[in-house]
Amino acid sequence: GAVVSQHPSRVICKSGTSVKIECRSLDFQATTMFWYRQFPKKSLMLMATSNEGSKATYEQGVEKDKFLINHASLTLSTLTVTSAHPEDSSFYICSAGGGEWTNEQFFGPGTRLTVL
Amino acid sequence: AQSVTQLDSHVSVSEGTPVLLRCNYSSSYSPSLFWYVQHPNKGLQLLLKYTSAATLVKGINGFEAEFKKSETSFHLTKPSAHMSDAAEYFCVVSDQGGGGNKLTFGTGTQLKVEL
Repeated sequence: GAVVSQHPSRVICKSGTSVKIECRSLDFQATTMFWYRQFPKKSLMLMATSNEGSKATYEQGVEKDKFLINHASLTLSTLTVTSAHPEDSSFYICSAGGGEWTNEQFFGPGTRLTVL
Repeated sequence: AQSVTQLDSHVSVSEGTPVLLRCNYSSSYSPSLFWYVQHPNKGLQLLLKYTSAATLVKGINGFEAEFKKSETSFHLTKPSAHMSDAAEYFCVVSDQGGGGNKLTFGTGTQLKVEL
């Protein structure tokens, strides 16, 4: 399988600040990356789908101005949580797929965001 | 449209006994189906996947699942549970391959393994 990394693994920030989370596919070119949010003891909720070089497609109810997604290259997508508030605290997970991997996505290890 | 239902939110078994985690799906196309495992505060690990080849799929750590189109099911089984199997398990469906396409997650089943 392929490897996807996320950075940072854990971040604590003050309310009102912005936080950037990086998702990298380390050994393949991912035409599509996905961002998920997971609340404690809950399932993964898809936030948005990101295709390289184009604007992200957001799921219903996800604020695109709050969760900025950039997919500038085939190996890197970023999620920026702008003006973070305590309710944005969550576990954010990315996945990458497409390219040579048509039947599988590979998940990053996740980023734990805590907003104070 | 695609959806997946995990019938049990919690399953508890004794070590050494069989495991059955149930999953039913709905899909407008020939689906791809996956089972992922998540240990506490960790990312997701793929256990196995079905992508229109053999209906009985063998995965890692002794897990397997059988795709039954007539029952729209993809239940996960393991003959003998181990303590290390205790984790959250997600059944996932994709209408079209799964690689560059949207995945829909089930609500998860928490597996507890007791001595």
